[in-house]
Amino acid sequence: EIVMTQSPATLSVSPGERATLSCRASQSVSSNLAWYQQKPGQAPRLLIYGASTRATGIPARFSGSGSGAEFTLIISSLQSEDFAVYYCQQYNNWPPWTFGQGTKVEIK
Amino acid sequence: QVQLQESGPGLVKPSETLSLTCTVSGDSLSSYYWSWIRQPAGKGLEWIGRFYASGSTNYNPSLKSRVTMSVDTSKNQFSLKLTSVTAADTAIYYCARDFGGSYDYWGQGTLVTVSS
Repeated sequence: EIVMTQSPATLSVSPGERATLSCRASQSVSSNLAWYQQKPGQAPRLLIYGASTRATGIPARFSGSGSGAEFTLIISSLQSEDFAVYYCQQYNNWPPWTFGQGTKVEIK
Repeated sequence: QVQLQESGPGLVKPSETLSLTCTVSGDSLSSYYWSWIRQPAGKGLEWIGRFYASGSTNYNPSLKSRVTMSVDTSKNQFSLKLTSVTAADTAIYYCARDFGGSYDYWGQGTLVTVSS
């Protein structure tokens, strides 16, 4: 099973600032990596798939990069609605697909 | 607009079987893989498994001995059965559409508590 490790666990950022979230896989997952946003009481929302492709309706301030085992999600200018927990997920080696433990982006 | 809705008992006794149904609207179950994913309170996401309407299924090895997924295409529904549940199976259970491995549509989730 591929282990996905996200860092940091919590990221404190001021509105308007840039947030950089990291995700590392225990072995290469090629570009088969997705990012999700989850707010309290809601289901996860797909942000990025294929490591760098924004899902339908996702604002351009969200960008994903990386391949192999190292990935990054950047939120270029944090808006109030962006404070949430973010998960990465690999879908290269299964079963199972696996998720990271999450990064909480909180208001500084 | 694709919508998914989970339904089923919110309370299951230990050692019994958890049964959930996901009703899909706005899409055909024959078009994609469909999955179940769960999330214990305050914790991360765990992939349970997926199926295709043709009958192909893939389960998480950690749950494989206890999981069965099935489909009722006439109702556009798919189901999850998890046997011999324990408190460790208490979680929010989501159904979701597998978009090539990522998940683009999710149900709102349903909380299942395992307790006597």
